[in-house]
This record gives sequence, structure tokens and C-alpha cells, in this order.
Amino acid sequence: AQSVAQPEDQVNVAEGNPLTVKCTYSVSGNPYLFWYVQYPNRGLQFLLKYITGDNLVKGSYGFEAEFNKSQTSFHLKKPSALVSDSALYFCAVRDPSRGNQGGKLIFGQGTELSVKP
Amino acid sequence: EPEVTQTPSHQVTQMGQEVILRCVPISNHLYFYWYRQILGQKVEFLVSFYNNEISEKSEIFDDQFSVERPDGSNFTLKIRSTKLEDSAMYFCASRSWGTLAKNIQYFGAGTRLSVL
Repeated sequence: AQSVAQPEDQVNVAEGNPLTVKCTYSVSGNPYLFWYVQYPNRGLQFLLKYITGDNLVKGSYGFEAEFNKSQTSFHLKKPSALVSDSALYFCAVRDPSRGNQGGKLIFGQGTELSVKP
Repeated sequence: EPEVTQTPSHQVTQMGQEVILRCVPISNHLYFYWYRQILGQKVEFLVSFYNNEISEKSEIFDDQFSVERPDGSNFTLKIRSTKLEDSAMYFCASRSWGTLAKNIQYFGAGTRLSVL
């Protein structure tokens, strides 16, 4: 069964410092991986995705993620955190079992990122 | 930028009542989804919809749930007889046709359903 794990419920970072939000996955076949961010009282906003190609993927707001097949990880990173980055971050994997007509996302439990001034 | 629109933002209902949650997906998208997020828990898939029929549904999506695309623009989720445990944030999402680069699901802001 496909699954996603985010081992940290909360990550605390000082503004200006680099941040990492961890994600590991388990999926049969090639993984399609995504990061979404949820601000308070808002929906899920797409940040970035890995489908194929370069292992380092760049996304919105200066975020990037590194796909590591051997470690089955897709950690989210940013070189210099901002207070405005404080939000709930979700890693997700697309279930490939139904081909293009399906495509449900399986989410991790989320990581609360708190960036302090 | 086009976005997925959900109404209402908050719905309060009595247990046993029917509710309809409404979504307007992005206009040229062909794949539609409902997810829910119970407070403090992860986002869970409910159902996917393509070509006017359900393409996949989860165990949560039992006979009390139904989806419809009544007019080519709206996509609705109906819960026939709400239970207390249906209280959650419900998200609609849509996706364009094609593969690879088109695989992004765009989410609405959600409808918070409170069943009393």
C-alpha cells in the first residue's frame, strides 16, 4: 500500500536559518511526489512536485525538495526561512494504481513549521 | 490565476440532515476530487470523478455520500444523513488533462462542516 510519513509534528527554525521538513514515502512503481502548504483557514496550496528528471526540484516561494530514491525520501528545504513561511506543510504521493483516470493523493500527517524572528 | 472555489466556507447542520457542499473547479479541468480533513488529522481522499462518473472512492465514501456535476461547472458532494463524525474540513480539488506536468491537483479553500 502507498504511504507517506512525516516524522516531525513540528519544526522550529529561527528566521534566516535554513529549514528542512522531512518526508519519506512507500509506493510501488515510480513515485509522483508533491508538497503542499496550508496557511491558517486556507486551503492547500501547491508548492512543488517531483515527477521525473532532476532530483532537486525548485518550487514556489524559494522552496526546493530533494528526491532520494535510495532513501525513499523527499525532504522540503529552504536556504533562509522567513516568518511568513510559518504554516502546515503536507507531503503527498500520487497513487499510480488507477493510471491517469485516478490520481488520488495520499498525504502525510503534516508538519507544523514555526519560524521565529 | 484560476482557482477552485468552494461554498459555503462554513456549514452548520443538525445530525441526520442532508448537506450539499459546492465546488467550482478550474474551468478547463477534467478530473475532480473530494478530500476531507478531520481536525488534527491528515487529509484523506474521498472520491475522484472523471467523465461524469466516479473513477475511485475510498472506504469512507459509503452510501451516505454522493457526487454530481450537474451543469458542467459545479461539482457537488452530498451527504444524505449527516453524522457527528462527518464534522471535518472538506476540500475540493481539480486537475487538468494529460500526464506529467499536468498532474497538479489544485485545491479550494475548503468547507468546514460542523454537525451538531
